[in-house]
Parts: sequence; C-alpha cells; structure tokens
Amino acid sequence: QKEVEQDPGPLSVPEGAIVSLNCTYSNSAFQYFMWYRQYSRKGPELLMYTYSSGNKEDGRFTAQVDKSSKYISLFIRDSQPSDSATYLCAMSEPNTGFQKLVFGTGTRLLVSP
Amino acid sequence: DAGVTQSPTHLIKTRGQQVTLRCSPKSGHDTVSWYQQALGQGPQFIFQYYEEEERQRGNFPDRFSGHQFPNYSSELNVNALLLGDSALYLCASSRQVKTSYGYTFGSGTRLTVV
Repeated sequence: QKEVEQDPGPLSVPEGAIVSLNCTYSNSAFQYFMWYRQYSRKGPELLMYTYSSGNKEDGRFTAQVDKSSKYISLFIRDSQPSDSATYLCAMSEPNTGFQKLVFGTGTRLLVSP
Repeated sequence: DAGVTQSPTHLIKTRGQQVTLRCSPKSGHDTVSWYQQALGQGPQFIFQYYEEEERQRGNFPDRFSGHQFPNYSSELNVNALLLGDSALYLCASSRQVKTSYGYTFGSGTRLTVV
C-alpha cells in the first residue's frame, strides 16, 4: 500500500464548476501538507501549504486537512480552463521538514469552456 | 529572476550507460533536491544536497549519486542505466532555514533509456 493515495482521474468539469480533489494517507507522522499544480512538460508549482489540521483559503483555492481521518482536500471555486493540469498532493514529516516530500500520483483535471 | 534551470531537457541513453543531469538553483536558494517522476506517477524523492553534502536520501540504489558545487548547483549521476530509469528527473531548490517551505521545481530532464 502506498503512503499517499490519490485518484489519477481524469476529472472533467465544465467551466465555473466547484472542483474537489482529495488524498488519503497512512503515515500519521505527516504534519505538513501541500498541493502542487503541474502543467504538461513543466515542473510542479506550489499552490497551497497547510500545517497540521484545519482549513486555508487563498483566492479560489481552499485546502482542508483532517488528520483524524488522514484525509486532505483541495477545492477550486469558479474553475477555469486554465486550471486544467495535474494536481499533486504532497506531505512530509516534522523531522524531515519540507525537504523530503511524499507525493500522491496526481489527479488530472480537465475544465472545459 | 531565473528560477531553477535544468539541462539537458531531453536525453536518450542506451541500457548500461551512464548519465549526468545538471541543475542550477533559484537565486538565493542553497539546497537542492532531486526527484524522479515516472509516467503517470508522482515525483519520488531521490536525495537532497546542502553545503555540498548529501543530507537525506530516498529509497534509491547506489547507482544514483550526486554532487553539489560551491555555487549551489548540482549534478545527478546515474550509472548502469536500466529501462526502468526512464522518467522525468526534477530538480527542486529551497532555502535550508527552518522558516522556508516548499520547493521551486525546474521543468525537468526527460530521460529515455532504450
């Protein structure tokens, strides 16, 4: 079993829809949770970062962490065609800091005009 | 401000050969990490270099080695290439200070082993 599980998709939605992306994990030592966006032929770029449990909002993006369920989510409001990309969740333990990330497989998102 | 630059962008090698990939970190960053991303998978941590030393290592064999230079740039070397080494190799830079978080990734080197 992988430490981090993520549905690979693809997830297809119409423009303007609310998108929900999720990851589950098995390592209870994970404390730092991140979401990266990766466009085709590009490296991942950091979207959101959350420490421990709770919610964090940044513009159209909201990240949620539920450590009791070992479940994290990323919500995208008013989705745009430019949001079409692969979204990767990533996590790390306190003793390794942000330097050693464990990634999910990524969910491919397609937003149609 | 240049971000993380990696070279070459694409590379084709024959099984059994050796390869060297190069990375220049973002200005102001002193730590370089390397990840392997197989097709359809998330990146997997190979190792991290800081102060010219390997600080952390993932679950990769000794065929994978690296180096960091005084200007913080880094190289990833892979010996005795296997078909399974075909992947996108990502370099990520950051600052080592504890308040630093997240990486800046390069666009990667696509390695194909035939």
